[in-house]
Amino acid sequence: AQKVTQAQTEISVVEKEDVTLDCVYETRDTTYYLFWYKQPPSGELVFLIRRNSFDEQNEISGRYSWNFQKSTSSFNFTITASQVVDSAVYFCALRGGGADGLTFGKGTHLIIQP
Amino acid sequence: DTGVSQDPRHKITKRGQNVTFRCDPISEHNRLYWYRQTLGQGPEFLTYFQNEAQLEKSRLLSDRFSAERPKGSFSTLEIQRTEQGDSAMYLCASSPLTGGFSYNEQFFGPGTRLTVL
Repeated sequence: AQKVTQAQTEISVVEKEDVTLDCVYETRDTTYYLFWYKQPPSGELVFLIRRNSFDEQNEISGRYSWNFQKSTSSFNFTITASQVVDSAVYFCALRGGGADGLTFGKGTHLIIQP
Repeated sequence: DTGVSQDPRHKITKRGQNVTFRCDPISEHNRLYWYRQTLGQGPEFLTYFQNEAQLEKSRLLSDRFSAERPKGSFSTLEIQRTEQGDSAMYLCASSPLTGGFSYNEQFFGPGTRLTVL
């Protein structure tokens, strides 16, 4: 069975602070894919990043960065110099090698205060 | 640029009634997915299609739920004899199938919010 755990239910920071959202996953597959999605108040899920299990390189995209560590089964997401527009619910998701449906965590509600 | 569209956006029904939702994927996407999201939870996978073939169904998809994708274009999700526990946001997503495998970057629609009274 696959599982994604986002232990942080809600995080509140002041604008311009850096913030890290944690994601821990469980899978028996040797090949798998990890994702982050953003769900703003409007409700529509927005794709942010995909990472393959065989590629442990970290990635940076503007103020966003992702740290993938197979040794700890973690795929954490950091927002640098947070902005109010970053306020949303963020979901980490996992796709196993043999299944196409995504397994989502429960999400972290990020609140950026001005 | 047209993304995934869903209709209706909101549906209120009485317990025991049947409801049907429609999803129009991004036009060149072969794969189409249905998820259900309840308040405070992440989306839960229900089923997916590759073209017109339904290839995977979650055990969450009880026999009151049926999905179709005729001609591999739009898809419908029908819930028969609705129950209050069916109240949720129903999300549709699509993804391309390229180079013989799917990148599986799923692009989501705005969802249909179902309220069963």
